[in-house]
Amino acid sequence: SQKIEQNSEALNIQEGKTATLTCNYTNYSPAYLQWYRQDPGRGPVFLLLIRENEKEKRKERLKVTFDTTLKQSLFHITASQPADSATYLCADLSGAGSYQLTFGKGTKLSVIP
Amino acid sequence: DAGVIQSPRHEVTEMGQEVTLRCKPISGHNSLFWYRQTMMRGLELLIYFNNNVPIDDSGMPEDRFSAKMPNASFSTLKIQPSEPRDSAVYFCASKRDRQETQYFGPGTRLLVL
Repeated sequence: SQKIEQNSEALNIQEGKTATLTCNYTNYSPAYLQWYRQDPGRGPVFLLLIRENEKEKRKERLKVTFDTTLKQSLFHITASQPADSATYLCADLSGAGSYQLTFGKGTKLSVIP
Repeated sequence: DAGVIQSPRHEVTEMGQEVTLRCKPISGHNSLFWYRQTMMRGLELLIYFNNNVPIDDSGMPEDRFSAKMPNASFSTLKIQPSEPRDSAVYFCASKRDRQETQYFGPGTRLLVL
């Protein structure tokens, strides 16, 4: 079965730097790979989605890349701010019309002023 | 538009008691999901409803867990009898058909003593 691995449990970076979070999948290439943000005591909030045939997606200071050769997605936050501190979850949604989201355990990002 | 509403936000109960968690999905969303989140296992799908019908309950841990969706605006997740290992945060999420993004509620933090 598919496993989504986010190898870093925690990442600390200095304000203003670019944060890069990694998501690896173990089996088949996800048709859609999603990134969510989760703040303490709250539910995950959708940020970005990248499709299998897309190499890169951007939204404001966020960028997601998808490398099917490496079985990996990278999530970048440029010019990071303390308000970006949260847990970021990667999730696999496979197959058009599919409903099953398989989540990684997340990476807790702390942006230090 | 109000987001997904869950109640209660916190529940503390004793082992053996019945627990009922409630969810109101976003109006117009016809897919509803119940998830459980723990430190050890991350976010796991318990059950998925589409148009009020349970489609996939393979994630429900055991017979002590049951879920219903009597109409498009209400769902319950019941645990009877509850056990300490059920302690977790339970999330409800909803989406429209053909929409890849799921919208999560704030969660119910359950502690079984």
